[in-house]
Amino acid sequence: SQELEQSPQSLIVQEGKNLTINCTSSKTLYGLYWYKQKYGEGLIFLMMLQKGGEEKSHEKITAKLDEKKQQSSLHITASQPSHAGIYLCGADAGGYQKVTFGTGTKLQVIP
Amino acid sequence: DADVTQTPRNRITKTGKRIMLECSQTKGHDRMYWYRQDPGLGLRLIYYSFDVKDINKGEISDGYSVSRQAQAKFSLSLESAIPNQTALYFCATSDSSEGNTEAFFGQGTRLTVV
Repeated sequence: SQELEQSPQSLIVQEGKNLTINCTSSKTLYGLYWYKQKYGEGLIFLMMLQKGGEEKSHEKITAKLDEKKQQSSLHITASQPSHAGIYLCGADAGGYQKVTFGTGTKLQVIP
Repeated sequence: DADVTQTPRNRITKTGKRIMLECSQTKGHDRMYWYRQDPGLGLRLIYYSFDVKDINKGEISDGYSVSRQAQAKFSLSLESAIPNQTALYFCATSDSSEGNTEAFFGQGTRLTVV
């Protein structure tokens, strides 16, 4: 089965600082999803990457899938308190939308 | 109203009791999923259903069962609840007709087994 490892597990940053979260897969990624979860709430879709080298941005959040399609990074520029939450990467293991998730990265942004 | 609705939002139950968590969606999606979330373990897939007659086990199906009563409804049952099933449970939906697209999640059901 596909395993996804996220790093770091938790992160505390000062407001305005940039940060990066990584997601590494044990297998080739056919579809890589990034979600954000506010504590104890549902997941909010951020973006999906499919092609090696693909990069997408939404507001101040940029995600990239590497050429070999086994690692993705999520970068937040000029972090704000509203960025706080748990970031989860999810992968479509076999192209059937049976998505498995990483362990999550807990982000705190200090004003 | 939310596109994916889970009921109840919170539930405390005793060991050995049978409990059902319900999920309904208004998005018209064919695919539905049940996940559980434990601290430090991310989300783990319990069961998934690609249509009313297609139900599949996920990574951690032992101790759980599901029923897809209609395209819009997918319920998760714990036949005999045990304390290590205490977790946050999420239902999700997706649409196969649009290829690989996002999954939409409910707000979660926090289950405590005492």
